[in-house]
Amino acid sequence: RKEVEQDPGPFNVPEGATVAFNCTYSNSASQSFFWYRQDCRKEPKLLMSVYSSGNEDGRFTAQLNRASQYISLLIRDSKLSDSATYLCVVNIPSNTGKLIFGQGTTLQVKP
Amino acid sequence: DAGITQSPRHKVTETGTPVTLRCHQTENHRYMYWYRQDPGHGLRLIHYSYGVKDTDKGEVSDGYSVSRSKTEDFLLTLESATSSQTSVYFCAIKGSLDWQFVKYFGPGTRLTVL
Repeated sequence: RKEVEQDPGPFNVPEGATVAFNCTYSNSASQSFFWYRQDCRKEPKLLMSVYSSGNEDGRFTAQLNRASQYISLLIRDSKLSDSATYLCVVNIPSNTGKLIFGQGTTLQVKP
Repeated sequence: DAGITQSPRHKVTETGTPVTLRCHQTENHRYMYWYRQDPGHGLRLIHYSYGVKDTDKGEVSDGYSVSRSKTEDFLLTLESATSSQTSVYFCAIKGSLDWQFVKYFGPGTRLTVL
């Protein structure tokens, strides 16, 4: 079993749609969770952290379910500019800050 | 902007030749990392450094060596490049967000080994 698993997609949605991505992780000791965004041929960039209580940043909502070891990202009112690959990232507890990256879920928003 | 640059940005080389990739950071970060990204594998850690002359292996370190003689520079060397090392290489530094450690990445080096 992979340490972080994501549905690779692609998810093809029309502008204005709501889309949700899911991610599962295997290490129950993990404490930090993130979503990164990666545009084609660019570096990954931090999108948002994921907190136990859930958190929202504009049109983006991240949720964490520790019991199920499951993380989600919800994007409302999709824009063409949201087209990218979204990486689920989970820490492995250590003093070196080790992060495990999922393979990513590709989103294509169409006019 | 995490102040990370990588050079070269693109390189084509032949099997068996040595290749060195450079990562440069301007913000005095202690931890630096080298990752490779391949379709179907995501980002995988090659080596990392936790200070000048202090380095350690990641999950895919075979065929790679690193050096860090200055805080700002972290070099990745492919001693004898192979076609399986064709990949996109990202350098990263460890930053912090609230109480958590995060990674900030450089723009990447696209390496092709023929």
